[in-house]
Amino acid sequence: KAGVTQTPRYLIKTRGQQVTLSCSPISGHRSVSWYQQTPGQGLQFLFEYFSETQRNKGNFPGRFSGRQFSNSRSEMNVSTLELGDSALYLCASRNTDTQYFGPGTRLTVL
Amino acid sequence: GNSVTQMEGPVTLSEEAFLTINCTYTATGYPSLFWYVQYPGEGLQLLLKATKADDKGSNKGFEATYRKETTSFHLEKGSVQVSDSAVYFCALTEYSTLTFGKGTMLLVSP
Repeated sequence: KAGVTQTPRYLIKTRGQQVTLSCSPISGHRSVSWYQQTPGQGLQFLFEYFSETQRNKGNFPGRFSGRQFSNSRSEMNVSTLELGDSALYLCASRNTDTQYFGPGTRLTVL
Repeated sequence: GNSVTQMEGPVTLSEEAFLTINCTYTATGYPSLFWYVQYPGEGLQLLLKATKADDKGSNKGFEATYRKETTSFHLEKGSVQVSDSAVYFCALTEYSTLTFGKGTMLLVSP
């Protein structure tokens, strides 16, 4: 089976812009979660989607949003980018209790 | 809430040395426990997992045992290789959300 794929791998944006990241889960997995990784805060949970519904949400401002499509692919959107949003954004798809991660999207905000 | 504490790094070892990375957790219920590994510039790879007390997860020579009485899940390997150099994350999951430790960098020299 193909693993979790994320596009794009790298992004450079400026403050105030918005960005959309994409994630395709492992075939057959219906749950997709997003995590933010920064040197200072480590790995933090953003949200989880299951069958197109948001099931859980972490402690992030409303500028961070996501959605899931009927084929389980997911997107996350960050509006009004801030310098502090620079991070590695990781997507994971879940089978029972185990999450499998993609390679991440490295977002740099200038 | 849930939390994971792991030893700070970097851990510096010579090839063929014995490795231990300590991990303890706090959880409200009965979580599943994981070790993930992250190589430079990559996402997280599942290394091993355990879902109940006294379970031992193992993979690629790494082992960890779920100790409910001490709320610990220490990672061990009998003989490390240079290729094991990476950052190791201990994590737990309850209700599908992963909570991570801050990560421990392992550096193995020839």
